[in-house]
Amino acid sequence: EVQLLESGGGLVQPGGSLRLSCAASGFTFSSYAMSWVRQAPGKGLEWVSAISGSGGSTYYADSVKGRFTISRDNSKNTLYLQMNSLRAEDTAVYYCAKAPQGIAGQGEFDIWGQGTMVTVSS
Amino acid sequence: SYVLTQPPSVSVAPGKTARITCGGNNIGSKSVHWYQQKPGQAPVLVIYYDSDRPSGIPERFSGSNSGNTATLTISRVEAGDEADYYCQVWDSSSDHRRVVFGGGTKLTVL
Repeated sequence: EVQLLESGGGLVQPGGSLRLSCAASGFTFSSYAMSWVRQAPGKGLEWVSAISGSGGSTYYADSVKGRFTISRDNSKNTLYLQMNSLRAEDTAVYYCAKAPQGIAGQGEFDIWGQGTMVTVSS
Repeated sequence: SYVLTQPPSVSVAPGKTARITCGGNNIGSKSVHWYQQKPGQAPVLVIYYDSDRPSGIPERFSGSNSGNTATLTISRVEAGDEADYYCQVWDSSSDHRRVVFGGGTKLTVL
């Protein structure tokens, strides 16, 4: 069964850092691009970042560029999101999502994890 | 930056047809994908590349895209279709690529 399981969320103070992980199973992880998508409480979906299957290409939303870093370890079937200089407006459920191809920058998200909550507050 | 506009809400009686629109400048030249999200759950892909349906999604769900409007159509609406629906595209018009989601439409089954 294809599955994505996020972890690493929690409460962090403004200006702090957090690293999210997304463990993948049931498919050849390195063959597929991955993204992070977030959803603030009561709000819509907001794309955060994407990475190609090889890890060689990355894309970021303007709202997180320079503060967040997406990466992946294909030997561990795990996607990461390093979040620095966190702000209150980063408070959201963070989902990892799989693309059906290895190239980032196109297409849909066919599999989603259940999400991990990040709360930025003092 | 590219903007997708969805109506905040759509209401429909059971058994009728719901149409949810997604407006964007020349969206017909882009590939549009649609997601269903029920309360407390992760989004689920219901339509990809304008009109294709993933396995397991009922034939009642269909999509179209032309000009400045993409449309998700749900025929013979059931109570279980009540959810938020989001359209999505990739915007490659600037010097880099980014995903754009519509603001979402809450479908209410009367």
